[in-house]
Amino acid sequence: DTGVSQNPRHKITKRGQNVTFRCDPISEHNRLYWYRQTLGQGPEFLTYFQNEAQLEKSRLLSDRFSAERPKGSFSTLEIQRTEQGDSAMYLCASSLGVGDTSEQYFGPGTRLTVT
Amino acid sequence: AQSVTQPDIHITVSEGASLELRCNYSYGATPYLFWYVQSPGQGLQLLLKYFSGDTLVQGIKGFEAEFKRSQSSFNLRKPSVHWSDAAEYFCAVGAPFSGNTPLVFGKGTRLSVIA
Repeated sequence: DTGVSQNPRHKITKRGQNVTFRCDPISEHNRLYWYRQTLGQGPEFLTYFQNEAQLEKSRLLSDRFSAERPKGSFSTLEIQRTEQGDSAMYLCASSLGVGDTSEQYFGPGTRLTVT
Repeated sequence: AQSVTQPDIHITVSEGASLELRCNYSYGATPYLFWYVQSPGQGLQLLLKYFSGDTLVQGIKGFEAEFKRSQSSFNLRKPSVHWSDAAEYFCAVGAPFSGNTPLVFGKGTRLSVIA
């Protein structure tokens, strides 16, 4: 068990550019979550997957945000036409997805800075 | 809508002193309750969780929390704080009967520990 990993750890981009982040969950976990954390705030839920199915995406911040989990393993979060307000920490978490007491394990996050 | 309030943005305690971090939630039923800790550059780590049963729950690193239904609270405590406890602490709620739904977090309490 190597934990949840996220890449890159840091990303600096210019406004208007597209960025993509990757999350590799714990191997046997079938649920994967994306959260965003801005300075001084707690994590805010964005979207989540059960295997490759995206169960909730209405909380994605705008249509510039999209996420995929094509084979039910790793996931990507893409932000198109980045804006300065997108600067934040993007967190990924995974859980076993069975039973009602499975906890979420978080990765270290990807810090995005939009200049 | 579900919400979590952590009234204290920043708390400073002396090493060896006791600690209590406050958390109040708003939810239609008794949710699942969590406390996470986040150290700089680290992901969120689960300290403890409450699903049902005994209202006093024990966690890792000597932390405990007490669920009080009448007060809609889930305060985190530690009898003797260590310098390594300095971090950001987040209270979170999840839908009852499912530990696998997205979490709603409070804004966090930053703990500083002085000698």
